[in-house]
This record gives sequence, C-alpha cells and structure tokens, in this order.
Amino acid sequence: AQSVTQPDIHITVSEGASLELRCNYSYGATPYLFWYVQSPGQGLQLLLKYFSGDTLVQGIKGFEAEFKRSQSSFNLRKPSVHWSDAAEYFCALTDSWGKLQFGAGTQVVVTP
Amino acid sequence: EAGVAQSPRYKIIEKRQSVAFWCNPISGHATLYWYQQILGQGPKLLIQFQNNGVVDDSQLPKDRFSAERLKGVDSTLKIQPAKLEDSAVYLCASRTQGSGKTNEKLFFGSGTQLSVL
Repeated sequence: AQSVTQPDIHITVSEGASLELRCNYSYGATPYLFWYVQSPGQGLQLLLKYFSGDTLVQGIKGFEAEFKRSQSSFNLRKPSVHWSDAAEYFCALTDSWGKLQFGAGTQVVVTP
Repeated sequence: EAGVAQSPRYKIIEKRQSVAFWCNPISGHATLYWYQQILGQGPKLLIQFQNNGVVDDSQLPKDRFSAERLKGVDSTLKIQPAKLEDSAVYLCASRTQGSGKTNEKLFFGSGTQLSVL
C-alpha cells in the first residue's frame, strides 16, 4: 500500500540556519511528489513538485527538494530560513487516480 | 484571481448536534474536494466532485456525513449528528478539470475549524 512518512513531528531551527525536512514514501511506481506549506489560518500552499526528470527541483520561497529513488525519499531543504518560514510542512503524493495522500506533517519553529 | 472561499471560519457545537460547512471554489474549477485534517495529522480526502457528480466518496463516513454540489459550483458538507472525533479542520480545495495526477492549479481554502464538545 502507498504511504507517506514524515519522521519529524517538530523541528526547531535558528533564523539564518539551514533546514531539512525528511519525507519517505512507499509507492509501486514512480510517484508524483509534492511539498505543501500551511501557515496558521492559511490554506495549504504548494511549494514544489516532482514528476520526472531532474531529481533536484526548485520551488517557491527559496525551497528545493531532491528525489532519491534508491532511498524512497523526497527531502525538502532551504539554505537559510527566515522567521516567516515558521509553519507546518506536508509531503504528499498522488496515486494513479490523482488522489493526494499527505504525510502527518512537520511543524517548523524558527527562533531568533 | 479570487481564492477558494470557506465559511464559517470556526464552529463550536456539542456532540449529537448538526453542522454545515460551505465552500465556493475558484470560478471555472470543475473539480472540488473536501478534506478532513485532524490535529497532528495530514489532510485526508473525504469526497471529490467533478462538476455536480461524486467521483470518490470512499472515505466519507456516510452514516453521518453528507455533501452536495447541486449546481456544480459551490458545495456544502454536513455532519449529522456530530461526534467528538469529528473535531478537525475541514478543508475545501478546487482545481481545473484535467490536471489529474499533477494537481496543477490545485488550490486550498483556509478551512473551517470544528470543535465538538
């Protein structure tokens, strides 16, 4: 069965430091993978997506993610976080019918 | 362009009461979704509409949940009667027809936060 796992429930990072959020997936074929961000009181916003091709994808707000088939991972990174990056981040994949399946999310706290 | 509109923003009810949520998708978006997001979990799909028809309601607890999209535009999700475990954020999302697995142009509303006491 397909699944998305985000091992870290909560991450605290200092402003200006780098950030990496982990995502592991289980899927029978090449998945369509996504990262979404949810700020308090806001809807989910798409940061980036991977369908095929270059395994390093660039997204909005300075985020990037790398697809590693051998590790079944799609980790999200940002070189230098800003206080406005404090939010909850969700990794997701779509199945063959286009249904989005989300991970449990990682809450990011940014300290001064 | 205007986003996906949802109301109310918050709702507090007692168990066994009824509640309804409203969603107005982005103009022209044929596909509409309702998701349930329980605290500490990712959103879970409840129901998917294509225009005014149901495409997938396999995860909708049909004994208490119902949803409609009569004119293929806005949609209502109802819970009757509510249980404590229904406390969650209910998200509505919409996209243009045909974007399929890529979920291009999929947009989410801000959600309705439901507390069942």
